[in-house]
Amino acid sequence: GEDVEQSLFLSVREGDSSVINCTYTDSSSTYLYWYKQEPGAGLQLLTYIFSNMDMKQDQRLTVLLNKKDKHLSLRIADTQTGDSAIYFCAGNQGGKLIFGQGTELSVKP
Amino acid sequence: EAEVAQSPRYKITEKSQAVAFWCDPISGHATLYWYRQILGQGPELLVQFQDESVVDDSQLPKDRFSAERLKGVDSTLKIQPAELGDSAMYLCASSFEQGLYEQYFGPGTRLTVT
Repeated sequence: GEDVEQSLFLSVREGDSSVINCTYTDSSSTYLYWYKQEPGAGLQLLTYIFSNMDMKQDQRLTVLLNKKDKHLSLRIADTQTGDSAIYFCAGNQGGKLIFGQGTELSVKP
Repeated sequence: EAEVAQSPRYKITEKSQAVAFWCDPISGHATLYWYRQILGQGPELLVQFQDESVVDDSQLPKDRFSAERLKGVDSTLKIQPAELGDSAMYLCASSFEQGLYEQYFGPGTRLTVT
């Protein structure tokens, strides 16, 4: 089955760019997703990328997909303190989401 | 904006007691999911419903967990008896249909078993 791995922590300064990385094992996922979870809250879909795309940009968010290396990244430009949260990447296996363990992003003023 | 509703938001129970969680999906969403999120980990699917039918419950510990969606709308997840290792966030999500449709998550129920 799908296995999704993420680094656990990232700390950046306000205004810098953040890059959160994810690796996955199952190349059959049609879509790959990035979710954001604020403390004590549910998950919010940030963006997603179709598996035949290499890049997707959505305002401050840029998703890069390297299918050869099975590597997915999320870049947040001009990171703000409100971006502090846990970020999950997820693959879709027949409608079932397989999540990584999450990357905690800390933004320091 | 339509949201997935869950209650209670927090639940503290003693081990060996029964506990139940409720979820009301977005109106019109045929597919409903229950996930368990252990602290420091990503959510893991417990059970998936398509209307009132269970599509996937392969990760549901059936000796103590049960889930139902009798009328194909709201759903209840029950644990009996609760164990210390059940302490986690229980998240409900819904989507228009199963497959590649976006899943919308509720705020979750934080369960603490003492």
